Amino acid sequence: QKEVEQDPGPLSVPEGAIVSLNCTYSNSAFQYFMWYRQYSRKGPELLMYTYSSGNKEDGRFTAQVDKSSKYISLFIRDSQPSDSATYLCAMNKAAGNKLTFGGGTRVLVKP
Amino acid sequence: GAVVSQHPSRVICKSGTSVKIECRSLDFQATTMFWYRQFPKQSLMLMATSNEGSKATYEQGVEKDKFLINHASLTLSTLTVTSAHPEDSSFYICSLVTGGREETQYFGPGTRLLVL
Repeated sequence: QKEVEQDPGPLSVPEGAIVSLNCTYSNSAFQYFMWYRQYSRKGPELLMYTYSSGNKEDGRFTAQVDKSSKYISLFIRDSQPSDSATYLCAMNKAAGNKLTFGGGTRVLVKP
Repeated sequence: GAVVSQHPSRVICKSGTSVKIECRSLDFQATTMFWYRQFPKQSLMLMATSNEGSKATYEQGVEKDKFLINHASLTLSTLTVTSAHPEDSSFYICSLVTGGREETQYFGPGTRLLVL
């Protein structure tokens, strides 16, 4: 069993819809959680960084962390075709330590 | 966030040759950099942790003599794929760790290696 599970998708939504992504993890030692966006043949781009349970909002993005359930989510409001990419969750046990990634979810926002 | 560059962005080489990939931090001094490999439609797999001024730490299953890492300065880490073979063809990505309260990783644009 992988330490971090993420549905590979693809997740197809119409433009303007809310995109809902999630990851589950098994190791309670993970304390810091990140979401990255990766376009094809590009490096991952950091979207959100959280380290406590609860919600964090940044523009159209909201990250949720539930440490008791070992479950994290990312919501993208008012989705745009330019949001079509692969979204990777990542986490580590201490700030600055190596990351453990989910497998990534491919998202397609249709105009 | 930090700005990270990689060079070259793409390289094609013959089997048996060595290839060097550079990872530079353009606006931040990074004591720690990471090297990842990503195969098509797969997630990133950590290869090694590169620490400035000391030997790199390799993940299990990664041959340290094949993937040479040199972190010579706070802004430059290099990965050399020695005696490359077609199975080494992949997307290689570096990242660096920023400091401060939210110490997280920023990634370079990646280098696509094709070994013929």
